[in-house]
Order: sequence, then C-alpha cells, then structure tokens
Amino acid sequence: SAVISQKPSRDICQRGTSLTIQCQVDSQVTMMFWYRQQPGQSLTLIATANQGSEATYESGFVIDKFPISRPNLTFSTLTVSNMSPEDSSIYLCSAVGGGYAEAFFGQGTRLTVV
Amino acid sequence: QKEVEQNSGPLSVPEGAIASLNCTYSDRGSQSFFWYRQYSGKSPELIMSIYSNGDKEDGRFTAQLNKASQYVSLLIRDSQPSDSATYLCAVKESGTASKLTFGTGTRLQVTL
Repeated sequence: SAVISQKPSRDICQRGTSLTIQCQVDSQVTMMFWYRQQPGQSLTLIATANQGSEATYESGFVIDKFPISRPNLTFSTLTVSNMSPEDSSIYLCSAVGGGYAEAFFGQGTRLTVV
Repeated sequence: QKEVEQNSGPLSVPEGAIASLNCTYSDRGSQSFFWYRQYSGKSPELIMSIYSNGDKEDGRFTAQLNKASQYVSLLIRDSQPSDSATYLCAVKESGTASKLTFGTGTRLQVTL
C-alpha cells in the first residue's frame, strides 16, 4: 500500500488563527483527497486536491475557508482558516493511485480550536 | 444525494464467533466497494475491496456483494478481541474518479 505521512498529528489552536496540514505520499498518486471526521461521525469529503489546478470542493465547503494546494503528484496541503471551535475535528488525507485502485489514508490530524 | 447506510451498532459477538456487518447503497451505477477498519483514535485501514458480485475471501474476512440488491457485507470468522473496532463501508461513486462515499460505520465489540 502507499504510505501517507500527515503532519501535524494534533494541534490545539486559538480561534481566528489558521492551521496548515501537510500530506506526503511515498509514491506518485493519481488522486488526493481531504476528509473531515467529527467526533463519533463518519468521514465527510471536503475536496479533491487537483495537481496544478484549483481543488474541487464538495457542497458546504469553500476555498476561502479550506484552501488546498497540490504542487506535485506526491504532496498536498489543507489550510483551515479563521478557525472556530466548530472546526475541531480530525482531518484526514487520502490518496489513490501509485499502482493501487484503493484509497489509503494518512494518520490524521486531530485539531482542537479553543 | 448518494447514500451508504450501515447499522451503527454496537454489534456484540463472542470471541470465536462470526461477525456479520451489512451495508446498503443508493448509487445503482457503483462498481467498487470497500471495507475499512478504524480503531478509536486512528485513521481508516483498508481491509477488503470487492468489485464483482459474489464472495471474496481474504483470511478470516469475506466480503459479499449483490449489486442487484445494492448490498455489501463483511463476514469476520473466528472473531478476536483485536477485531473490536468501527467498520466503515465505502462506495466509489459512479462517474467519478475515485471519489468515495462512506457509511456511518458499525461498531463491533468482540467479547471474551
């Protein structure tokens, strides 16, 4: 399986600030995705990170709040902007490709906004 | 709105028994189905993928797919306490490049 490194693994942030989460894959992958998982809930797709172009956002998520970059086929970042306590969640990076049809996940970032 | 439905549980089974986890989906055009295991505080880990009707076995795990009934299941034989986790069913949306819709997950508890 593809190995996906995500950092930071956790952070506690002040409201109104921003946090950038990094995702590094050990091989070139076709697709990269960002998910949010709120406590006790399932995974909700935030956006598809497109290499060299703007991310494709799901309903309810906007670029101003969750800017995403993907400068190459192995790396992506998600920024959570102007944070509020409602943004407290686990954020997960996922990748598909590199010879695999299945999606694999990074370790996740547990974000707490105070 | 494409949906994937699972019973949230908890599903409690004794050690050594067979655990049966079920999932239904609404997207009739879906062709790819996945089961992920998620331990508390950890990220999802892929257990099984299935693409054709019928059964697919891998060790103690068997995935079953019935596209006509839009139904996917996961059987875990000889359940162990280490199998206690939340199991997420995921369906690749038709017409998309690998976009997955996840169910809410079934929490499995294997008791001694």
